[in-house]
Amino acid sequence: QKEVEQDPGPLSVPEGAIVSLNCTYSNSAFQYFMWYRQYSRKGPELLMYTYSSGNKEDGRFTAQVDKSSKYISLFIRDSQPSDSATYLCAMSTNTNAGKSTFGDGTTLTVKP
Amino acid sequence: DAGVIQSPRHEVTEMGQEVTLRCKPISGHDYLFWYRQTMMRGLELLIYFNNNVPIDDSGMPEDRFSAKMPNASFSTLKIQPSEPRDSAVYFCASSLLQGAGNEQFFGPGTRLTVL
Repeated sequence: QKEVEQDPGPLSVPEGAIVSLNCTYSNSAFQYFMWYRQYSRKGPELLMYTYSSGNKEDGRFTAQVDKSSKYISLFIRDSQPSDSATYLCAMSTNTNAGKSTFGDGTTLTVKP
Repeated sequence: DAGVIQSPRHEVTEMGQEVTLRCKPISGHDYLFWYRQTMMRGLELLIYFNNNVPIDDSGMPEDRFSAKMPNASFSTLKIQPSEPRDSAVYFCASSLLQGAGNEQFFGPGTRLTVL
């Protein structure tokens, strides 16, 4: 079993929909939780990060971390066609903060 | 800054040939990572360096793969001999330990096809 499991998708939604992307993990030492966005034929780019538990909001994007359930989510409100991409969750510990463990990614398509 | 630079962007080679992928990290970053991405296996960490020293190479699939970082501004990933199953996109990424959220900055990738 992988340390980080991500809902595989693919996910297709109409423009304006609320999107929920999710990851579960098994390593309780993870403290940094990140979401990367990867457009087709590009490298991943950091979208949001959270340290420890809680919520973080940035425009239409909200990241949630529930450490008790070992579960993280990324919500996208009012989704746009430009949000169409693959979203990867990533996590790291305090002691080995240089290294992140990535999920396999969920491919999202937002249809106009 | 130009970001992480990788070359070549595309490589097509025949089975058995040696392949060398190159990476220039962002200036001042102290971590460098090599990843491989395929549809079947997702994004896999192959090896990473801290201050030019290899820290963890447990992801390197076999002895055919080797990586070096002779200085802070250059790294190579070599496959010798290459096999069709090595076909993938190879990403190099760099980060600064003190950076926000342990963010890794990825290069554009090298798309490798081994025939």
